[in-house]
Amino acid sequence: DVKVTQSSRYLVKRTGEKVFLECVQDMDHENMFWYRQDPGLGLRLIYFSYDVKMKEKGDIPEGYSVSREKKERFSLILESASTNQTSMYLCASSYRGPKETQYFGPGTRLLVL
Amino acid sequence: AQSVTQPDIHITVSEGASLELRCNYSYGATPYLFWYVQSPGQGLQLLLKYFSGDTLVQGIKGFEAEFKRSQSSFNLRKPSVHWSDAAEYFCAVLNTDKLIFGTGTRLQVFP
Repeated sequence: DVKVTQSSRYLVKRTGEKVFLECVQDMDHENMFWYRQDPGLGLRLIYFSYDVKMKEKGDIPEGYSVSREKKERFSLILESASTNQTSMYLCASSYRGPKETQYFGPGTRLLVL
Repeated sequence: AQSVTQPDIHITVSEGASLELRCNYSYGATPYLFWYVQSPGQGLQLLLKYFSGDTLVQGIKGFEAEFKRSQSSFNLRKPSVHWSDAAEYFCAVLNTDKLIFGTGTRLQVFP
């Protein structure tokens, strides 16, 4: 079974802190994605990556950055957390090709105070 | 711009009843369509997908969906709902290389 793990299920941070969300997949997938999920808005793509050291902006990249130094790991970084970044963050991975199934991690619920 | 609309925010059904979750898409060409399910406390799991061919698609857990180009719809159905089907359901359309998700429909199942 494909396994996508996220470093924390719940996280509480203060405004202005630098926040790292880690995602690891064990299926040698080329593609990795970060989404945020908000009630009434569904899932929105923040960033994605097709390969190591590659990144592409999604629909809502402002206030976020990403890092992919190894194929299995994709990190989402909030340089200076703000209260409007309180949300559920979901990581996903897939094989190369846009039609491939995306496999999701359980999510990290982030609260910024 | 491509988009997906799920008109029902919340649906409640009795266990054993049939289910239909609505999804409408806006897309110029032939769409690639997906249904995902998110059980409480978990990530999303693919139920089924449609790329071409037979417009009735079978998925996991007894779900099926029918693509209707004339109605721009891709509704999800199940003939008999189980209590374990209580979850949030997301329809999505592939836009070039990204998935565009609908806002989701939360399904509640009463015994």
